[in-house]
Amino acid sequence: DQQVKQNSPSLSVQEGRISILNCDYTNSMFDYFLWYKKYPAEGPTFLISISSIKDKNEDGRFTVFLNKSAKHLSLHIVPSQPGDSAVYFCAASGGGSNYKLTFGKGTLLTVNP
Amino acid sequence: GAGVSQSPRYKVAKRGQDVALRCDPISGHVSLFWYQQALGQGPEFLTYFQNEAQLDKSGLPSDRFFAERPEGSVSTLKIQRTQQEDSAVYLCASSIRQDTGELFFGEGSRLTVL
Repeated sequence: DQQVKQNSPSLSVQEGRISILNCDYTNSMFDYFLWYKKYPAEGPTFLISISSIKDKNEDGRFTVFLNKSAKHLSLHIVPSQPGDSAVYFCAASGGGSNYKLTFGKGTLLTVNP
Repeated sequence: GAGVSQSPRYKVAKRGQDVALRCDPISGHVSLFWYQQALGQGPEFLTYFQNEAQLDKSGLPSDRFFAERPEGSVSTLKIQRTQQEDSAVYLCASSIRQDTGELFFGEGSRLTVL
């Protein structure tokens, strides 16, 4: 039973356009959400996070939006760059085990020059 | 180095062999985690240490899996009598805190069991 779902295995966008990666969760106890980025043969690296008390968090070209009622979050990358091409994992924690991350399966983003 | 270091990067084992995977966390990081990532999947939690104490081992798949961090720094994940379903990338991560989930991951150890 997947508690964190990334329903799009892949996404392709043109350089300079917006990339939107989506994530849904089922566990209402989750209260902290993160996005990790992973290049081939490397470990995931932390990108951006959001607490459930907020609905938006922005860091440069990256913005995460949280819709708690829909149990949905999204990552926006504007403008997209070829170096953003990677697998993006959505992750969540909370409910008393706030050290334990539950990951989605990831979305492969390809940004074409 | 400044990051989380894992060794070996690649390990091929025959079914039934024992393997040991090592993790050197970032100096001063209190929390250490092991995750298992199967092909095409996201990382899945295995176990969590705070200093030398193993506070959560609920994600270990079976009693063939054992992890330790005896001095609160380096950690070893041991898998006894390996089976084909153990084939995966084993990721170690560390954090200066025990919450928020902003973990620093190593490059992983890819285990292939033949």
